[in-house]
Amino acid sequence: RKEVEQDPGPFNVPEGATVAFNCTYSNSASQSFFWYRQDCRKEPKLLMSVYSSGNEDGRFTAQLNRASQYISLLIRDSKLSDSATYLCVVNAGGYNKLIFGAGTRLAVHP
Amino acid sequence: SAVISQKPSRDICQRGTSLTIQCQVDSQVTMMFWYRQQPGQSLTLIATANQGSEATYESGFVIDKFPISRPNLTFSTLTVSNMSPEDSSIYLCSVEMRTAGGPDEQFFGPGTRLTVL
Repeated sequence: RKEVEQDPGPFNVPEGATVAFNCTYSNSASQSFFWYRQDCRKEPKLLMSVYSSGNEDGRFTAQLNRASQYISLLIRDSKLSDSATYLCVVNAGGYNKLIFGAGTRLAVHP
Repeated sequence: SAVISQKPSRDICQRGTSLTIQCQVDSQVTMMFWYRQQPGQSLTLIATANQGSEATYESGFVIDKFPISRPNLTFSTLTVSNMSPEDSSIYLCSVEMRTAGGPDEQFFGPGTRLTVL
């Protein structure tokens, strides 16, 4: 079983749609959770950290369920510029090491 | 966040040669990391580079193949030694920054795209 598993992509959605990505992780000792976005041929950029109570940043909402070891990212009112690969990332149980999911590709079309 | 630069941005190398990649950050950081992203794959941590101590390598990566230097708090190098085509990949450095009231966050350099012929 992979340490971090994500929805298979790609997700093809029209502008204005709401899209949700899911992620599960295997290490119950993980303490830190993140969503990164990666554009084609670019480095990953931190989108948001995920807090236990859930957090929102504009059109983006992240949720964490520690009991189910599940993380989600909701994007509302999708824009063309949201097209990218979204990486679910968790730390390796108390260490600084980050474990990356394989990523979910999002394509927003007009 | 931090401003991170890497050199070279890309290179094409012959098998058997070595390439040293530089990572420079605009502020002092304790933790720096080196990752590899193979074509179509996600990121894999190679090693953690802390100033004043030897790098800590992940399973599957060894110092002889990927020697790392960390001479100060703003700079690190990764060398890919005795390269083979299987080393063709993007190599990225990252730095860890503390946040107020939140988890430590990592920020990535632009990456070095290596092709080995």
